[in-house]
Amino acid sequence: AQSVTQLDSQVPVFEEAPVELRCNYSSSVSVYLFWYVQYPNQGLQLLLKYLSGSTLVKGINGFEAEFNKSQTSFHLRKPSVHISDTAEYFCAVSDLAGGSNYKLTFGKGTLLTVNP
Amino acid sequence: NAGVTQTPKFRVLKTGQSMTLLCAQDMNHEYMYWYRQDPGMGLRLIHYSVGEGTTAKGEVPDGYNVSRLKKQNFLLGLESAAPSQTSVYFCASSYSGADTQYFGPGTRLTVL
Repeated sequence: AQSVTQLDSQVPVFEEAPVELRCNYSSSVSVYLFWYVQYPNQGLQLLLKYLSGSTLVKGINGFEAEFNKSQTSFHLRKPSVHISDTAEYFCAVSDLAGGSNYKLTFGKGTLLTVNP
Repeated sequence: NAGVTQTPKFRVLKTGQSMTLLCAQDMNHEYMYWYRQDPGMGLRLIHYSVGEGTTAKGEVPDGYNVSRLKKQNFLLGLESAAPSQTSVYFCASSYSGADTQYFGPGTRLTVL
């Protein structure tokens, strides 16, 4: 069975500082990996995803993530955050076992708060 | 192109009442999902559907039923609401099971 651990429930940072949100997954087979963002009182929207190929994935709003198979990690990074990046971020994994009924398993989320 | 829409946006129920949440998508997606979001718990899958006329149980299906009579609609029913079902409910859809899921804006449900 697949699982996702987001290592920090809250990450406070100052504007223009770099940030890293950590995500580790557990799966016995190959996986697809996703980061979603949820702004206050909204649904989730895709930030970026890793399906195959280059392990460095670039997403919207200047975010990027690196897939590390040996460490089973998919950490999200941004070199300089803005106030508008304040949101909750969810890591998700979908494993490729069991036919075509793939499902996403979400982490519990990391609340990023950017302070002026 | 509205994407994924959910109705209603808010609802307050008394214990034991029933209700249906409607999800509609206009992207011709095969897969549709219902999640609930609770503080500190992330999103948990209630039920999902891999095509018109099909449904399957997710991680937390007890107390909920679903139907997918039309490809574009996925209904979530609560037959006898309980306070433990107070939550924010999200619907999502995707072209395939491993593809990007597109989420609706959510329904905030309170059961008194």
